[in-house]
Amino acid sequence: AQTVTQSQPEMSVQEAETVTLSCTYDTSESNYYLFWYKQPPSRQMILVIRQEAYKQQNATENRFSVNFQKAAKSFSLKISDSQLGDTAMYFCAFIPGAGSYQLTFGKGTKLSVIP
Amino acid sequence: KAGVTQTPRYLIKTRGQQVTLSCSPISGHRSVSWYQQTPGQGLQFLFEYFSETQRNKGNFPGRFSGRQFSNSRSEMNVSTLELGDSALYLCASSLTGTRSYEQYFGPGTRLTVT
Repeated sequence: AQTVTQSQPEMSVQEAETVTLSCTYDTSESNYYLFWYKQPPSRQMILVIRQEAYKQQNATENRFSVNFQKAAKSFSLKISDSQLGDTAMYFCAFIPGAGSYQLTFGKGTKLSVIP
Repeated sequence: KAGVTQTPRYLIKTRGQQVTLSCSPISGHRSVSWYQQTPGQGLQFLFEYFSETQRNKGNFPGRFSGRQFSNSRSEMNVSTLELGDSALYLCASSLTGTRSYEQYFGPGTRLTVT
């Protein structure tokens, strides 16, 4: 069974600064997919970024980027130039691929952006 | 394209009753998954449907069931409601046949059991 661990229950960052959210996972799969989802107070779950395990290049989406370390089973999210709208719960999630669409989520990190 | 829609958005039921929640996926998406979100247990996978067939099921009792229709719309049903079933139920849809495995979520149905 896969597990996803987010060790930081809460974090805060000043507006315009950079913050990194940590995530580790455990799996015996060799090819899988990792995601970061954002859930603002509205509760709508929004896909932030995706990483495919077979790709060595770290994914980037505008101000969001990941540091994917496959050997260490680590998948951190970096948010640059933090904005007030980034305030939300952030969930790291894992899918084994191979036709399975079952997401396994971490417990989440509550990020507060301070003006 | 319209996003994933879920109805109703809010629901209050009493113990012992049953409830049906509905989910309409993004047009062209044939895979629909359901998740339960609670403060204590976090986000947990309920089941996934593709082409009207349940492909995966999470570790939930048989009171939780679902189905998918030919137009990919999905419903989940919870019978004999318990207080612990109070949760946000999220539906997600995926475009299959690609290697992205991205899932797009609806706004959720907030179920309160009293």
